[in-house]
Amino acid sequence: GNSVTQMEGPVTLSEEAFLTINCTYTATGYPSLFWYVQYPGEGLQLLLKATKADDKGSNKGFEATYRKETTSFHLEKGSVQVSDSAVYFCALSDNAGNQFYFGTGTSLTVIP
Amino acid sequence: DTGVSQNPRHKITKRGQNVTFRCDPISEHNRLYWYRQTLGQGPEFLTYFQNEAQLEKSRLLSDRFSAERPKGSFSTLEIQRTEQGDSAMYLCASSYRQGGYEQYFGPGTRLTVT
Repeated sequence: GNSVTQMEGPVTLSEEAFLTINCTYTATGYPSLFWYVQYPGEGLQLLLKATKADDKGSNKGFEATYRKETTSFHLEKGSVQVSDSAVYFCALSDNAGNQFYFGTGTSLTVIP
Repeated sequence: DTGVSQNPRHKITKRGQNVTFRCDPISEHNRLYWYRQTLGQGPEFLTYFQNEAQLEKSRLLSDRFSAERPKGSFSTLEIQRTEQGDSAMYLCASSYRQGGYEQYFGPGTRLTVT
């Protein structure tokens, strides 16, 4: 079956540090991959996505590359800010968008 | 366009009572999804609609849960004979094919069963 495994948190970084949050997946066929972010007190927002192997999704300085050979979609940012403090969810869907599977989320706190 | 809205935002009920939640999707979105999220976990898929048709249901959706989407617009999720284990955040999301099925989430309804 389909599933997503995310790096456990919480993660605490100093401002301007490099961020990596690991995500690996198990899926049949060719899923689409997503990172969602949930800021305190708010709903989930799409951060970035990739729909096929070797695609790189990027937004707000965050990047993730769809690696089929390692079944991974790790989230990276070169220099985090305090405003990036949130919970990050990796997710996948089948290519028809019939079902979505989310990881357990990784809480990130950035300290000044 | 005001995004996906959900009502109520919070609901406290006693065990055994029935509750109903409403979701209003983004107007041009033809797909609507329901999820349940408990503390420290990611959203768990419950069911989804394409227009008014309910196309997928998770095995998590027991027979006490029912969802409808009359006329393919808003949707309701009803839980009958609530149990303490039903306490969770219930999330709604909508999407459309031209958007690559990218999902837009509402703020959720937090249910507490006492």
